[in-house]
Amino acid sequence: GESVGLHLPTLSVQEGDNSIINCAYSNSASDYFIWYKQESGKGPQFIIDIRSNMDKRQGQRVTVLLNKTVKHLSLQIAATQPGDSAVYFCAETNAGNMLTFGGGTRLMVKP
Amino acid sequence: GAGVSQSPRYKVAKRGQDVALRCDPISGHVSLFWYQQALGQGPEFLTYFQNEAQLDKSGLPSDRFFAERPEGSVSTLKIQRTQQEDSAVYLCASSRGTRNVAGELFFGEGSRLTVL
Repeated sequence: GESVGLHLPTLSVQEGDNSIINCAYSNSASDYFIWYKQESGKGPQFIIDIRSNMDKRQGQRVTVLLNKTVKHLSLQIAATQPGDSAVYFCAETNAGNMLTFGGGTRLMVKP
Repeated sequence: GAGVSQSPRYKVAKRGQDVALRCDPISGHVSLFWYQQALGQGPEFLTYFQNEAQLDKSGLPSDRFFAERPEGSVSTLKIQRTQQEDSAVYLCASSRGTRNVAGELFFGEGSRLTVL
């Protein structure tokens, strides 16, 4: 199948460890942020979102942190599993419809 | 099917050929987006439809790119006189809503275009 991340930065973690993926966004006016997971040959899949009036949001095994001061977003994955291996993208919007995606990070989970 | 369907999944074109990529959104979804994803990069916005109306085409890279959604359902992205820099995965996404839909998008698996 196709690969969407031949030249992406890569994070390699051991199964069961926690993963932290970082993203710097560009538009200080952005008010809504999303993390997507993209597996090879598939489209982006929504993981978790956060609005600019929050600095932390938790889901199942995932947490997103937002630091508006330095325009930084992070995704934390607890107890990383082999099925978490994929490319992860952050995305931002300030108009609610059009998304601007970051460059992506490849997560590789070693069994 | 239950998801966004795109065809063809893979297309190889010779430089200068015209191509047409099809998107079948989820039934009843009003909003439809096209994104272009070059190898190793994040998707980039191309154009947005609300029903049959093309409300934003600011991301189309040149006048060789044209998108339509004549009946407010299926959409076609057409690229004329393809160039090597057009090689990418073209992603379609749809949403039921019309406002603040960024968090409600369902993406298709994409059409991978390779221009030789």
